[in-house]
Amino acid sequence: EVRLVESGGGLVQPGGSLRLSCAASGFTFSSYWMSWVRQAPGKGLEWVANIKRDGSGEYYVDSVKGRFTISRDNAKNSLYLQMNSLRAEDTAVYYCARDSGIALEDYWGQGTLVTVSS
Amino acid sequence: QSALTQPASVSGSPGQSITISCTGTSSDVGGYNYVSWYQQHPGKAPKLIIYEVSNRPSGVSNRFSGSKSGNTASLTISGLQAEDEADYHCSSYTSSSSLGVFGTGTWVTVL
Repeated sequence: EVRLVESGGGLVQPGGSLRLSCAASGFTFSSYWMSWVRQAPGKGLEWVANIKRDGSGEYYVDSVKGRFTISRDNAKNSLYLQMNSLRAEDTAVYYCARDSGIALEDYWGQGTLVTVSS
Repeated sequence: QSALTQPASVSGSPGQSITISCTGTSSDVGGYNYVSWYQQHPGKAPKLIIYEVSNRPSGVSNRFSGSKSGNTASLTISGLQAEDEADYHCSSYTSSSSLGVFGTGTWVTVL
């Protein structure tokens, strides 16, 4: 059974940092691109970033470029999102998702809430 | 990259069929057959129900079907059931970004 479990969310002040983690199991993690997708309260979904199977390439939505870094550790079956210089508009539930095709996420974690507020 | 346009809400009675639209441009929905649909119940993670315009993953009810015409993709739910009450999100590949693009989301109410 494919499982994705996020952790690391919480309340942080504007300008602060957080590191999200996603523990994967039930599939060969190193064979898949992975993504972070977020959902602001009452809003739709938004791709934040994705990363190639071997971590050799990463892509970001313009609003987080230079502030967020996606990474992975295939030996630990883990995906990460380092979030710096956080802003109020980054407040959202962040989901870890497995990429199974072009712009296609076939499995999702339960999400972790990030709240940026003073 | 702007979000794809979906109606904010759609409603129907049990047993009826409803259709949700997802409108983009020739750079995304209209140009490629990489449209997906996700169902999301309140407080839960999204679940993939349609991929590549009209394909259903294993285990997804055949009451869900997808199609596309021009720049608009559609999700049809036939034989509407109470459990279908949820948010539905479309997504598409886009040539404008290295990431995909999601729709604005549609809340389905079962009357």
